[in-house]
Amino acid sequence: DVKVTQSSRYLVKRTGEKVFLECVQDMDHENMFWYRQDPGLGLRLIYFSYDVKMKEKGDIPEGYSVSREKKERFSLILESASTNQTSMYLCASSPPDRRGYTFGSGTRLTVV
Amino acid sequence: RKEVEQDPGPFNVPEGATVAFNCTYSNSASQSFFWYRQDCRKEPKLLMSVYSSGNEDGRFTAQLNRASQYISLLIRDSKLSDSATYLCVVNKGGGNKLTFGTGTQLKVEL
Repeated sequence: DVKVTQSSRYLVKRTGEKVFLECVQDMDHENMFWYRQDPGLGLRLIYFSYDVKMKEKGDIPEGYSVSREKKERFSLILESASTNQTSMYLCASSPPDRRGYTFGSGTRLTVV
Repeated sequence: RKEVEQDPGPFNVPEGATVAFNCTYSNSASQSFFWYRQDCRKEPKLLMSVYSSGNEDGRFTAQLNRASQYISLLIRDSKLSDSATYLCVVNKGGGNKLTFGTGTQLKVEL
């Protein structure tokens, strides 16, 4: 079974803090993605990566950055957390063909 | 117009009923289509891919109409365990970026 592991299930951070969300997959997938999910808005793509050290902006990259130093790990960074970044963050990975994604179990981030 | 549109529901159906969900997408270049299932406070999980000729997996049947840019999911003989939110998912016309609908909530009742 493909495993996508997100480091934290729940996280509470203060406004202005730098926040790191970690994601690791164990299936040697090239593609990795970060989404956030909010009620009524669904899943929205923040950033994605097709290869090590490669990254591309998704639909809502503002306020976020990413890092992919190793194939199995894709980190999402909130440079200066704000309350409007309170959300469920979901990491996903997929092989290079057009099969679907496998998601991690999500990190529910609250910024206070 | 949203890239992927779904009726949010909820659809409340009795156990054993047949229920159908529809979804429309706006990008005619889209090539891959999926249905995902998401249980409350859990991550989305792939339910099935949707192929041009239509496909079936047990009680679930998916259909694609490219001309109308329309995808459907039919669930026969609904079980209580089918209660979840069903997400219609479309690739963004190249590459492997997926666009998710906001989901249709299904509640199967005794």
